[in-house]
Amino acid sequence: DTGVSQNPRHKITKRGQNVTFRCDPISEHNRLYWYRQTLGQGPEFLTYFQNEAQLEKSRLLSDRFSAERPKGSFSTLEIQRTEQGDSAMYLCASSPPVSGGHYGYTFGSGTRLTVV
Amino acid sequence: AQTVTQSQPEMSVQEAETVTLSCTYDTSESDYYLFWYKQPPSRQMILVIRQEAYKQQNATENRFSVNFQKAAKSFSLKISDSQLGDAAMYFCAYRFTQGGSEKLVFGKGTKLTVNP
Repeated sequence: DTGVSQNPRHKITKRGQNVTFRCDPISEHNRLYWYRQTLGQGPEFLTYFQNEAQLEKSRLLSDRFSAERPKGSFSTLEIQRTEQGDSAMYLCASSPPVSGGHYGYTFGSGTRLTVV
Repeated sequence: AQTVTQSQPEMSVQEAETVTLSCTYDTSESDYYLFWYKQPPSRQMILVIRQEAYKQQNATENRFSVNFQKAAKSFSLKISDSQLGDAAMYFCAYRFTQGGSEKLVFGKGTKLTVNP
């Protein structure tokens, strides 16, 4: 297992364009999370999936953001009509089923989005 | 609301010396998990250490240990025998659960510099 994989690593887009990021979690992890991190800040929670169900979506996420996790495997995060304020690092993390304790989250390397 | 505060934006330490990074949090829960994550310049978040609130014994992982003061809601990280590879951003995080959802709430981070 190679950990949590995120693609692409970098994305430069023009304002107003749509972008989609992909996250492949560790195979036995049923929980998947998206976070956004801007320079000099800690990651901020965006959304949470347990299997294929999206159980929480942050108020930080405007209607331009949507996330999916079909069949409880990989996940995609789409941003429509991008704005300069969307420029950030988008992090994906996954964790195993909680059983007898919680052993932390494994993060991917992130997708850095630059909107010009 | 659950909040995590890291009051030291930057810290520095001499190689082989010991450094302590501070973290306080706010919660009304009695059972929860706390984490320290390291984020090197490559940007991938790496789990350093975790603490379960119901365990009074402080967690340790090799050169890393915590001082968990539940009543004071304090969770500091001690790094002993600091190495150049310890240089990174360090984030304290609280695992927040509500209903069927969960997420990590992060502090703003402490940038650790290790001087040779």
